[in-house]
Order: sequence, then C-alpha cells, then structure tokens
Amino acid sequence: AQSVTQLGSHVSVSEGALVLLRCNYSSSVPPYLFWYVQYPNQGLQLLLKYTSAATLVKGINGFEAEFKKSETSFHLTKPSAHMSDAAEYFCAVSERGGNTGKLIFGQGTTLQVKP
Amino acid sequence: DAGVTQSPTHLIKTRGQQVTLRCSPKSGHDTVSWYQQALGQGPQFIFQYYEEEERQRGNFPDRFSGHQFPNYSSELNVNALLLGDSALYLCASRQGEEKLFFGSGTQLSVL
Repeated sequence: AQSVTQLGSHVSVSEGALVLLRCNYSSSVPPYLFWYVQYPNQGLQLLLKYTSAATLVKGINGFEAEFKKSETSFHLTKPSAHMSDAAEYFCAVSERGGNTGKLIFGQGTTLQVKP
Repeated sequence: DAGVTQSPTHLIKTRGQQVTLRCSPKSGHDTVSWYQQALGQGPQFIFQYYEEEERQRGNFPDRFSGHQFPNYSSELNVNALLLGDSALYLCASRQGEEKLFFGSGTQLSVL
C-alpha cells in the first residue's frame, strides 16, 4: 500500500527566506510523486511531478523538489519565499504506470509567509 | 477554455438525505475522478470514471455512487447522509496519462 507523510502541519517563514516542506512516501512499487498547492476556496493546482526522468524536478512559481530513493523523500523547496506563496501544500503519490487518477495525498502543510 | 467546473459550489443537507454533485471535465478530457477533502485533511480518492464505467474505487461505502455521461460529465451521489460526510468534494479530470486538473469543489455541509 502507498502512503505519504508530510512532516509539519504548519510552516512559517519570512518573506525572502528559504521554503522547505517535507514529504516522505511509502510505496511497494516505483512511484510517481506530486506536489499540489491549494489556495483558499480553490481546487488543487499541480506544482510539479516526478516520473523518473530526473531526480531534481523543477516546477512552477520557482518551486523544485528532489526525489531521494534512499531516504524515500520528496521535499519541496523554494529559495526565496514570496507573500503569494502562502497556501496549503499537499504531497501525493501514485503507482508508476498505474492509474494516475488515483492519488494518495498527505495531510497537508500550511505555509505562512511573514512580511 | 473552461477548466473543470463543479456545481453547486455550496450545499446544505440534513442527515439521512441524499445529494447529487455535478462535474464537467476540462475540454478534451475523458476521465473523471472524485475526491473527498475533510476539513484540515488531504483529499481522499473516492472513485474514477472512464468510458462511463467506474474503473477504480477508494475505501468508501456503497452509499457513495457515481455516473459518467456520454459527454464525459459526471455525478457523485451520496445516500443516507451522515454528519461525517461534511466535506469539500473535488472533481478532477484528465486525458490519458496527462496531469489531473481539479475543480474548485462543492462544499457540502450535513446538519
């Protein structure tokens, strides 16, 4: 069975500081991994996805994530936080080659950006 | 190009009632998935429809059922509503192996 654990339900950073949101996964088969962002009263928007092409994945809005198989991690980073980055972030996993309509999501991390 | 649209945006029901939520996929998409997002939680997969058939299902009781129409739109039906069914219901669509696009959801409150 697949699962995702997001470490830290709430992360607070100052504007311009590094953003690091942690995600660890469990999967019995090689996974696809995703990061989504959710703004208030909106649906989920895909930030980036890992599908084995490269371990360092660059996404939208300056975010990137690195797949580390040995650590079963897929942490999300951004060098410099912007006020507009304040939102809920979800890490998700699905089976590679399987039905990517079924995603297993973590509990989410709320990112607060202080001026 | 309209993305994934869901209706209604908000809904209030009482325990024991039945509810139908609707979803129109993004243009060109033929696969629709439904997710339940309880307050403060990540979305949970309910089921996925393709070619008018349920193809995969998550760990939800039979009170949750769905349908997909020839135009690829979809409905989610929940019978015998419980207080615990209160949540944001998200619809997502895709074409083939392309990424999922999510709608803004229907907020269901069960009183």
